[in-house]
Amino acid sequence: SQTIHQWPATLVQPVGSPLSLECTVEGTSNPNLYWYRQAAGRGLQLLFYSVGIGQISSEVPQNLSASRPQDRQFILSSKKLLLSDSGFYLCAWTRGNNQPQHFGDGTRLSIL
Amino acid sequence: TQLLEQSPQFLSIQEGENLTVYCNSSSVFSSLQWYRQEPGEGPVLLVTVVTGGEVKKLKRLTFQFGDARKDSSLHITAAQPGDTGLYLCAGVEHAGNNRKLIWGLGTSLAVNP
Repeated sequence: SQTIHQWPATLVQPVGSPLSLECTVEGTSNPNLYWYRQAAGRGLQLLFYSVGIGQISSEVPQNLSASRPQDRQFILSSKKLLLSDSGFYLCAWTRGNNQPQHFGDGTRLSIL
Repeated sequence: TQLLEQSPQFLSIQEGENLTVYCNSSSVFSSLQWYRQEPGEGPVLLVTVVTGGEVKKLKRLTFQFGDARKDSSLHITAAQPGDTGLYLCAGVEHAGNNRKLIWGLGTSLAVNP
C-alpha cells in the first residue's frame, strides 16, 4: 500500500531563518506531488506541484521554492522566512491530474 | 479560474440532528471530490462524484452531484460527535489539456454531544 510521510510535524522558526520541509511517498512510482498551505481551519492554497523529477510548477508568487530531487521526494524550502509564511503545510500525491489526492499529516509552521 | 463556494462556513449542531452543506460554482466540473479533515491531520477523501445527478451514500452521509455538474451537496443524517471536522469539496477543472483541482474553503462542522 502507498504511504506519504511529512516531517517535521511542528516547527518554530525565527523570521529570516531558512526552511526545509520534506515529503516522501512510498509504494508508488511517478506520482504527481503537491505542496499546499492552509490557513487555520480553512481551505487549501496550492503552492507547487510536480509531475516528475526536476519538474516544478509554481501556482503563486511567494517566498518559497520547491524541488523534486527524486521520484518520490518533494521538498519545500525558503532562504529567509517571513511572518506571513506561518501556517499548516500539507504534501499530497496523486496518480494523475484528476485522481483523488492523498495527504500527509502536515507540518505546523510558526514564525516568531 | 473557477471558484467553489461552500456554505455554511461554520456549523454547530447537537448530536442526532441532520444537516446539509453545499458546494456551488458557476462553472462545470468533470467530477467533484469531498474530503473530511480533522484537526492536525491532512484531508481524507470521502467520495468522488462524476455523473450529473449522481447520488452516493456512505453510511449516514449522502452526496449528490448537481444535474449540470456545477454544484454538490453533502447531507448527514443523525450527526454524531465523530462527524466533527472540516469538510472540503474540490472540483476537477478542465483547461485545455490541463486538469486542475479547485478547492472550496470548507465547512467547519462541530457536533456537540
